[in-house]
Amino acid sequence: GEDVEQSLFLSVREGDSSVINCTYTDSSSTYLYWYKQEPGAGLQLLTYIFSNMDMKQDQRLTVLLNKKDKHLSLRIADTQTGDSAIYFCAESSGGYNKLIFGAGTRLAVHP
Amino acid sequence: NAGVTQTPKFQVLKTGQSMTLQCAQDMNHNSMYWYRQDPGMGLRLIYYSASEGTTDKGEVPNGYNVSRLNKREFSLRLESAAPSQTSVYFCASSETGSDNYGYTFGSGTRLTVV
Repeated sequence: GEDVEQSLFLSVREGDSSVINCTYTDSSSTYLYWYKQEPGAGLQLLTYIFSNMDMKQDQRLTVLLNKKDKHLSLRIADTQTGDSAIYFCAESSGGYNKLIFGAGTRLAVHP
Repeated sequence: NAGVTQTPKFQVLKTGQSMTLQCAQDMNHNSMYWYRQDPGMGLRLIYYSASEGTTDKGEVPNGYNVSRLNKREFSLRLESAAPSQTSVYFCASSETGSDNYGYTFGSGTRLTVV
């Protein structure tokens, strides 16, 4: 079945770049997503990439997609303490827009 | 503000009790979803409703039932709560006709079954 895998933790220094990686299994996924969850809150759509794209940039965020290896990454430039959160990778799967989520990567930003 | 509203935000149940989690969206979305979130396991789909009048099982439907009351509302019912159902429950909605199919999530219901 479909599966999405992410590493569980990432710690970076404030001002450095963060790179969060994700692998997925469904090669027919039309869109791939990054969601952000702050403590005690729901998930917020951060960015997404269409499957025929290799890269998408949105201000401090860069999404890279390697469709051959089914690998997705999220780069956050100039990471700030406000970026501390859990980041979820998700792939669209099957009909009716079902999303399959990874377990989430907890990003900790320290001074 | 437009979005997905979930009630209650917190709930403690005794084993065997029943309850219904409520969800409503005001974005005129066709599709609605219920997920549960457990530490280290991400979000797992319980049930979804592609459109008003239809519901389908997701990855972990056992112990739950759902009702798509109308286009706005999608409720999740626990008939006989068990400690294994202690979790954070999220409702989400999406517009299946849009370009990117992004979900909008509610703020969650934290349920503890003792």
